[in-house]
Amino acid sequence: QLQLQESGPGLVKPSETLSLTCTVTDGSIGSTAYYWAWIRQSPAKGLEWIGTVYYSGNSYYSPSLKSRVSISVDTSKNHFSLWLSSVTAADTAIYFCARSRKFCSGGSCYLRWFDPWGQGTLVTVSS
Amino acid sequence: QSALTQPASVSGSPGQSITISCTGTSSDVGGDKSVSWYQQHPGKAPKLMISEVSNRPSGVSDRFSGSKSGNTASLTISGLQPEDEADYYCGSHTSSSTPFYAFGTGTKVTVL
Repeated sequence: QLQLQESGPGLVKPSETLSLTCTVTDGSIGSTAYYWAWIRQSPAKGLEWIGTVYYSGNSYYSPSLKSRVSISVDTSKNHFSLWLSSVTAADTAIYFCARSRKFCSGGSCYLRWFDPWGQGTLVTVSS
Repeated sequence: QSALTQPASVSGSPGQSITISCTGTSSDVGGDKSVSWYQQHPGKAPKLMISEVSNRPSGVSDRFSGSKSGNTASLTISGLQPEDEADYYCGSHTSSSTPFYAFGTGTKVTVL
């Protein structure tokens, strides 16, 4: 069954850019039925949706992070990536990647649910 | 977008039923069938328990059920078991035109 695995540095300095990759195995990232998402979890904010990308490259971001975040997809490598710039201690969190069911109605498309999830990776922002 | 509101904690004895609420607005929970529920044990990733308000994915116990009334969704766990002790989160899309999403504040379920 499809699995996701996050990878990237566990420690990032303040003001630098956080970069993570999510590799999809036993399934294709090119499916038209799904989006691919980044979600983070911290004690202060709980679960927080960061953003989502479609296999075509179209991406959507949380309004609260939009100015600092970028998500891209590489279908040849079956992975998608997250960049979060100008990080501070508030960005310290466990970062998860997940597959999201796509649902379209009336010309608009939405995120339906997230399954499966990667195991998560802790990223600490500290000098 | 704001987080959906859940009670911080709910508890029950083995065999009892408990219900967790998730309150939002007409733009999210009260919209179409977008509400889902996730179970998270300590140190683990969230697991999808209910999709589209009341659908149980394959492999999820039928002791878990979901419903919705107006802007409030609910997750009911029947026949509470020790392994049900975990954090539970609801979630819903939040925009009428773009794929945005919000999670609930989370509920700690304790089995007494």
